[in-house]
Amino acid sequence: EAGVAQSPRYKIIEKRQSVAFWCNPISGHATLYWYQQILGQGPKLLIQFQNNGVVDDSQLPKDRFSAERLKGVDSTLKIQPAKLEDSAVYLCASTRGGGSMLTDTQYFGPGTRLTVL
Amino acid sequence: AQSVSQHNHHVILSEAASLELGCNYSYGGTVNLFWYVQYPGQHLQLLLKYFSGDPLVKGIKGFEAEFIKSKFSFNLRKPSVQWSDTAEYFCAVKSQAGTALIFGKGTTLSVSS
Repeated sequence: EAGVAQSPRYKIIEKRQSVAFWCNPISGHATLYWYQQILGQGPKLLIQFQNNGVVDDSQLPKDRFSAERLKGVDSTLKIQPAKLEDSAVYLCASTRGGGSMLTDTQYFGPGTRLTVL
Repeated sequence: AQSVSQHNHHVILSEAASLELGCNYSYGGTVNLFWYVQYPGQHLQLLLKYFSGDPLVKGIKGFEAEFIKSKFSFNLRKPSVQWSDTAEYFCAVKSQAGTALIFGKGTTLSVSS
Protein backbone atom coordinates (compact mmCIF):
# COMPACT_ATOMS: atom_id res chain seq x y z
CA GLU A 1 0.00 0.00 0.00
CA ALA A 2 1.49 3.34 -1.03
CA GLY A 3 1.85 5.89 1.71
CA VAL A 4 0.85 9.52 1.89
CA ALA A 5 2.66 11.49 -0.81
CA GLN A 6 3.66 15.13 -0.48
CA SER A 7 5.45 17.57 -2.72
CA PRO A 8 7.64 19.47 -2.83
CA ARG A 9 9.85 18.16 -0.03
CA TYR A 10 11.62 21.49 0.44
CA LYS A 11 10.76 25.05 -0.48
CA ILE A 12 12.56 28.33 0.13
CA ILE A 13 10.75 31.60 -0.56
CA GLU A 14 10.99 35.25 0.31
CA LYS A 15 8.47 36.78 2.69
CA ARG A 16 5.33 38.08 0.99
CA GLN A 17 5.64 35.46 -1.77
CA SER A 18 3.07 32.73 -2.20
CA VAL A 19 3.60 28.97 -2.01
CA ALA A 20 1.54 25.84 -2.49
CA PHE A 21 1.91 22.33 -1.15
CA TRP A 22 0.33 19.18 -2.51
CA CYS A 23 -0.78 16.01 -0.74
CA ASN A 24 -2.10 12.71 -2.04
CA PRO A 25 -3.48 10.53 0.77
CA ILE A 26 -3.52 6.77 0.95
CA SER A 27 -6.01 5.36 -1.53
CA GLY A 28 -9.47 5.03 -0.02
CA HIS A 29 -8.78 7.29 2.95
CA ALA A 30 -11.69 9.65 3.43
CA THR A 31 -10.16 11.96 6.02
CA LEU A 32 -7.22 14.24 5.30
CA TYR A 33 -5.37 16.50 7.72
CA TRP A 34 -2.85 19.27 7.29
CA TYR A 35 -0.57 19.94 10.26
CA GLN A 36 2.07 22.61 10.82
CA GLN A 37 5.17 21.61 12.77
CA ILE A 38 7.37 24.47 13.91
CA LEU A 39 10.90 23.57 14.96
CA GLY A 40 10.97 22.26 18.51
CA GLN A 41 7.22 21.70 18.70
CA GLY A 42 4.77 18.96 17.95
CA PRO A 43 2.51 19.06 14.89
CA LYS A 44 -0.52 21.35 15.17
CA LEU A 45 -3.67 20.91 13.12
CA LEU A 46 -4.37 23.49 10.45
CA ILE A 47 -7.35 21.93 8.68
CA GLN A 48 -9.21 18.65 8.46
CA PHE A 49 -11.24 17.39 5.49
CA GLN A 50 -13.79 14.60 5.38
CA ASN A 51 -14.01 13.66 1.70
CA ASN A 52 -14.20 17.12 0.06
CA GLY A 53 -15.80 18.94 2.99
CA VAL A 54 -14.05 20.89 5.73
CA VAL A 55 -14.54 19.41 9.21
CA ASP A 56 -12.28 21.68 11.24
CA ASP A 57 -10.41 24.78 10.14
CA SER A 58 -10.55 26.65 13.43
CA GLN A 59 -6.76 26.97 13.65
CA LEU A 60 -6.14 27.92 10.04
CA PRO A 61 -4.98 31.55 9.64
CA LYS A 62 -7.56 32.27 7.00
CA ASP A 63 -6.19 35.68 6.10
CA ARG A 64 -3.21 34.00 4.45
CA PHE A 65 -3.75 30.25 4.39
CA SER A 66 -6.20 28.36 2.21
CA ALA A 67 -6.73 24.70 1.43
CA GLU A 68 -8.91 22.67 -0.82
CA ARG A 69 -9.74 19.06 -1.57
CA LEU A 70 -12.00 19.47 -4.55
CA LYS A 71 -12.54 15.85 -5.60
CA GLY A 72 -12.16 14.32 -2.19
CA VAL A 73 -8.79 12.82 -2.99
CA ASP A 74 -5.68 14.98 -3.18
CA SER A 75 -5.37 18.34 -1.51
CA THR A 76 -3.44 21.59 -1.81
CA LEU A 77 -2.47 24.00 0.94
CA LYS A 78 -1.57 27.56 -0.04
CA ILE A 79 0.05 30.42 1.81
CA GLN A 80 -0.30 33.91 0.39
CA PRO A 81 1.52 36.04 1.39
CA ALA A 82 4.06 34.15 3.46
CA LYS A 83 5.52 35.53 6.68
CA LEU A 84 8.77 34.64 8.42
CA GLU A 85 6.86 32.80 11.14
CA ASP A 86 5.40 30.40 8.54
CA SER A 87 8.77 28.63 8.36
CA ALA A 88 7.89 25.10 9.42
CA VAL A 89 7.31 21.59 8.19
CA TYR A 90 3.84 21.08 6.72
CA LEU A 91 2.59 17.56 7.27
CA CYS A 92 -0.27 15.82 5.56
CA ALA A 93 -1.96 12.84 7.17
CA SER A 94 -4.88 10.63 6.29
CA THR A 95 -7.17 8.11 7.93
CA ARG A 96 -9.61 5.63 6.52
CA GLY A 97 -12.41 7.25 8.50
CA GLY A 98 -15.68 5.53 9.26
CA GLY A 99 -15.93 6.55 12.88
CA SER A 100 -14.27 3.52 14.43
CA MET A 101 -11.33 4.26 16.68
CA LEU A 102 -9.91 0.85 15.99
CA THR A 103 -9.24 1.80 12.39
CA ASP A 104 -8.71 5.50 12.96
CA THR A 105 -4.94 5.55 12.73
CA GLN A 106 -3.38 8.57 11.08
CA TYR A 107 -0.68 7.92 8.51
CA PHE A 108 1.69 10.78 7.82
CA GLY A 109 3.50 11.89 4.71
CA PRO A 110 7.16 12.99 4.67
CA GLY A 111 6.25 16.65 4.97
CA THR A 112 7.28 19.80 3.14
CA ARG A 113 9.94 21.89 4.84
CA LEU A 114 9.24 25.58 4.16
CA THR A 115 11.83 28.28 4.80
CA VAL A 116 10.68 31.88 4.52
CA LEU A 117 13.52 34.40 4.21
CA ALA B 1 -8.92 22.46 25.72
CA GLN B 2 -6.92 19.28 25.54
CA SER B 3 -3.17 19.45 25.89
CA VAL B 4 -0.26 17.03 26.08
CA SER B 5 2.93 17.48 28.11
CA GLN B 6 6.12 15.61 27.49
CA HIS B 7 8.48 16.10 30.39
CA ASN B 8 11.80 15.40 28.77
CA HIS B 9 13.01 17.51 25.89
CA HIS B 10 16.22 15.59 25.21
CA VAL B 11 17.24 12.23 26.63
CA ILE B 12 20.70 10.77 26.14
CA LEU B 13 21.29 7.08 26.86
CA SER B 14 23.87 4.42 26.22
CA GLU B 15 22.92 1.26 24.37
CA ALA B 16 21.22 -1.36 26.58
CA ALA B 17 19.99 1.26 29.04
CA SER B 18 16.31 1.30 29.92
CA LEU B 19 14.07 4.04 28.63
CA GLU B 20 11.03 5.77 30.04
CA LEU B 21 9.57 8.88 28.40
CA GLY B 22 6.89 10.72 30.27
CA CYS B 23 3.60 11.91 28.80
CA ASN B 24 0.70 13.56 30.59
CA TYR B 25 -2.50 14.82 29.07
CA SER B 26 -5.25 17.11 30.24
CA TYR B 27 -8.72 15.92 29.38
CA GLY B 28 -11.34 14.56 31.73
CA GLY B 29 -13.24 12.30 29.39
CA THR B 30 -12.45 9.20 27.39
CA VAL B 31 -9.24 9.56 25.46
CA ASN B 32 -7.29 7.62 22.92
CA LEU B 33 -3.54 7.83 23.23
CA PHE B 34 -0.71 7.40 20.79
CA TRP B 35 3.04 7.42 20.57
CA TYR B 36 4.58 8.34 17.23
CA VAL B 37 8.25 8.18 16.32
CA GLN B 38 10.21 10.13 13.73
CA TYR B 39 13.57 8.63 12.79
CA PRO B 40 16.13 10.98 11.24
CA GLY B 41 15.08 11.84 7.70
CA GLN B 42 11.89 9.82 7.90
CA HIS B 43 8.23 10.61 8.38
CA LEU B 44 6.17 10.21 11.53
CA GLN B 45 5.11 6.65 12.13
CA LEU B 46 2.94 5.02 14.75
CA LEU B 47 4.70 3.17 17.57
CA LEU B 48 1.66 2.13 19.56
CA LYS B 49 -1.84 3.21 20.50
CA TYR B 50 -4.31 2.77 23.32
CA PHE B 51 -8.05 2.73 22.77
CA SER B 52 -9.49 0.61 25.56
CA GLY B 53 -8.95 -2.56 27.56
CA ASP B 54 -5.56 -3.61 28.87
CA PRO B 55 -3.78 -0.41 29.95
CA LEU B 56 -0.41 -1.93 29.07
CA VAL B 57 0.02 -1.59 25.34
CA LYS B 58 2.75 -3.21 23.31
CA GLY B 59 3.99 -1.65 20.11
CA ILE B 60 6.60 -2.20 17.48
CA LYS B 61 10.34 -2.63 18.09
CA GLY B 62 9.93 -3.69 21.72
CA PHE B 63 8.25 -0.52 22.93
CA GLU B 64 5.38 -0.50 25.38
CA ALA B 65 3.32 2.12 27.15
CA GLU B 66 1.12 2.10 30.21
CA PHE B 67 -2.07 4.12 30.50
CA ILE B 68 -2.68 5.24 34.09
CA LYS B 69 -6.02 6.99 34.11
CA SER B 70 -5.71 8.35 37.66
CA LYS B 71 -2.46 10.07 36.74
CA PHE B 72 -3.52 11.17 33.25
CA SER B 73 -0.32 9.55 32.03
CA PHE B 74 0.78 7.40 29.12
CA ASN B 75 4.51 6.80 29.57
CA LEU B 76 6.58 5.04 26.93
CA ARG B 77 9.08 2.37 27.97
CA LYS B 78 11.67 0.09 26.49
CA PRO B 79 13.83 -2.24 28.62
CA SER B 80 16.95 -1.98 26.49
CA VAL B 81 17.50 0.71 23.86
CA GLN B 82 19.54 0.33 20.71
CA TRP B 83 21.46 2.89 18.69
CA SER B 84 18.74 2.61 16.04
CA ASP B 85 16.19 3.98 18.52
CA THR B 86 17.72 7.43 18.12
CA ALA B 87 14.75 9.50 17.03
CA GLU B 88 12.16 12.03 18.11
CA TYR B 89 9.18 10.67 20.02
CA PHE B 90 5.78 12.32 20.16
CA CYS B 91 2.90 11.58 22.47
CA ALA B 92 -0.56 12.45 21.13
CA VAL B 93 -4.18 12.31 22.25
CA LYS B 94 -7.58 12.42 20.62
CA SER B 95 -10.98 12.44 22.26
CA GLN B 96 -13.05 10.75 19.59
CA ALA B 97 -12.86 9.09 16.21
CA GLY B 98 -12.50 11.40 13.28
CA THR B 99 -10.85 14.21 15.17
CA ALA B 100 -7.31 15.45 14.83
CA LEU B 101 -4.45 14.48 17.08
CA ILE B 102 -3.12 16.83 19.71
CA PHE B 103 0.61 16.37 20.06
CA GLY B 104 3.14 17.06 22.76
CA LYS B 105 6.31 18.95 21.92
CA GLY B 106 8.31 15.78 21.47
CA THR B 107 11.32 14.19 23.12
CA THR B 108 14.58 13.73 21.28
CA LEU B 109 16.28 10.45 22.19
CA SER B 110 19.96 10.06 21.46
CA VAL B 111 21.47 6.60 21.98
CA SER B 112 25.23 6.19 21.93
CA SER B 113 26.81 2.89 20.99
